[in-house]
Order: sequence, then structure tokens, then C-alpha cells
Amino acid sequence: EPEVTQTPSHQVTQMGQEVILRCVPISNHLYFYWYRQILGQKVEFLVSFYNNEISEKSEIFDDQFSVERPDGSNFTLKIRSTKLEDSAMYFCASSGLSGSSYNEQFFGPGTRLTVL
Amino acid sequence: AQSVTQLDSQVPVFEEAPVELRCNYSSSVSVYLFWYVQYPNQGLQLLLKYLSGSTLVKGINGFEAEFNKSQTSFHLRKPSVHISDTAEYFCAVSPGSARQLTFGSGTQLTVLP
Repeated sequence: EPEVTQTPSHQVTQMGQEVILRCVPISNHLYFYWYRQILGQKVEFLVSFYNNEISEKSEIFDDQFSVERPDGSNFTLKIRSTKLEDSAMYFCASSGLSGSSYNEQFFGPGTRLTVL
Repeated sequence: AQSVTQLDSQVPVFEEAPVELRCNYSSSVSVYLFWYVQYPNQGLQLLLKYLSGSTLVKGINGFEAEFNKSQTSFHLRKPSVHISDTAEYFCAVSPGSARQLTFGSGTQLTVLP
């Protein structure tokens, strides 16, 4: 069964460093998303991406964040200068353009980011 | 803007007993409703979704949920739980015209032997 994969599973970084979180969405999906979950808090929407551009973003997704689809398979989230409060589990998701997958987002296992 | 409230943060229940996990939402527009499950060290897996039509929705693993528009609720039920149902359950909504999901804070279901 196709699935969303994310690497690494755990990333530790120093405050102020740049990090790139990587995701491989399901191959025929065209919408891509990033969410995050700070420990003990809700899963929060960050951004959605379609047709090589951001289609929606939340207030959390400020200038420190960027997303990119550098090739036909990867979808990345970059945090330019990490802060302590960026420590969280980051989930990637993807969904299809039509059919039963249109309204269903398939989630990856997450990357736990720890900022020291 | 939408919001989701899951009233119970933890629900312990004995094996083979029925369970209901509560979810209420607020929105100024019509919404789609979802329940996701998260097993330890795994991603979020869709249990079921309500888009339109019948208000009683059946999902995987024997779960079902009922959409109640007047009470703005979407409670999840299972008539008989198993140990393997132990997991965190998240209710989520998205506006009909957009795709971003708004999640509740989650309910940890623990099934006891």
C-alpha cells in the first residue's frame, strides 16, 4: 500500500541553525501539506502546496519557513533559523486530485525536531 | 475560522465494552469532518470521514460516527473495543472550500484487559 515517508525520524539542532525536513508524498498525489504538533498540544496546520506554489498557509508559517518540491518526488520544509519553540513533531501529508483520495489526507510518520 | 473540541483527553475502557469519543466543532461555513487515529510512533491514519449524505458514517476497524448538525457534533463510537484499539484519536474539520485540517486536542483511548 502506498504511504507517505519522512526523513529523518528525529532531528536535533542548535538554535539559529537551518533545518530541512524531507517528505516523499504518495506518487500520484498533487496536494501536499505540513502540520506540526508541539508536545502536549494540538496538531496545527502550517501550509498546503499545489501546482508548485503555496495554496494556503497559517499564521505560524512566517518568513522563517519555506517549502519546496525540488524534484518529482520530494517535498521539503525548511526552517531558516530555528528557535526553541520550533521543537515539535512535524507531519507531512498528501492528497489526490480526484476520487476517494480527494478529501483524504494521508499522513507520514512524522519528524521529531528538537532545538537546543 | 473553525475550532474543534474533544471533551475527553483520556478514556479508559474495558475490552469488549462499547466506547464513545466525543467531538464538537464550530464553524461559520459548512465543513467536512474526519476522525484520525494515531498508534504509537506512527502517523495519523484516517478512520472515517463525513462529506455529505447519510449522517451515519462507517469507517475502518468497526468504528462509526454520526454527524449531528444541530448539535455540531461528530461523536465516534465502537460497540465492542479490543486491546488493539488503544491509541490516540483525533477529530478534525476542514471548510468545504479549503483543505487545511483543524484538529481537536485528541483523546487517548486505553483498552484494559
